[in-house]
Amino acid sequence: QQQVKQSPQSLIVQKGGIPIINCAYENTAFDYFPWYQQFPGKGPALLIAIRPDVSEKKEGRFTISFNKSAKQFSLHIMDSQPGDSATYFCAARHNAGNMLTFGGGTRLMVKP
Amino acid sequence: DTAVSQTPKYLVTQMGNDKSIKCEQNLGHDTMYWYKQDSKKFLKIMFSYNNKELIINETVPNRFSPKSPDKAHLNLHINSLELGDSAVYFCASSHRADTQYFGPGTRLTVL
Repeated sequence: QQQVKQSPQSLIVQKGGIPIINCAYENTAFDYFPWYQQFPGKGPALLIAIRPDVSEKKEGRFTISFNKSAKQFSLHIMDSQPGDSATYFCAARHNAGNMLTFGGGTRLMVKP
Repeated sequence: DTAVSQTPKYLVTQMGNDKSIKCEQNLGHDTMYWYKQDSKKFLKIMFSYNNKELIINETVPNRFSPKSPDKAHLNLHINSLELGDSAVYFCASSHRADTQYFGPGTRLTVL
């Protein structure tokens, strides 16, 4: 049973486009929602994160939108660049034990 | 100055063998984790450990066991390796419930 569902699985955009990646969760015990970026051959690295008491968070070109009632959150990448090409994972942290449950990942390609 | 390091980076072994993967963090964190990433890139938590508590994902076979010689290290021991254990294993660490920092991964191939 996948507790965090992520879509799409892959995404191709042109440079300057705004890719949007969506995630949905079921467990109301999740209390923190990070996004990780992973390049080939590397470990995931934290990109941006949000708590459920906030509806939007922006850091540079990356924005998270959070809808608590719908149990959904999404990542928007403004003015996307070829260097943003990577796999993106949403995650949700359980309020006991700090264990992260990851979505299935989205492979993003930004074409020059 | 690598924050979270793992050795080896690649591990190729035969079915039935026992192997270990080492993880070290120099961030002064008190909690460490092991994750498994399968061929479809799906990441799954295996263990969460601090000096007080070990939390095990119930889906992890008991052939897998974490061992922590000290606060900066959490090694992963795998007994009787199976083909399905082939994956990339990531170690991570955090200070309490803060951001988790991941290591570079160990690619395990079981033949």
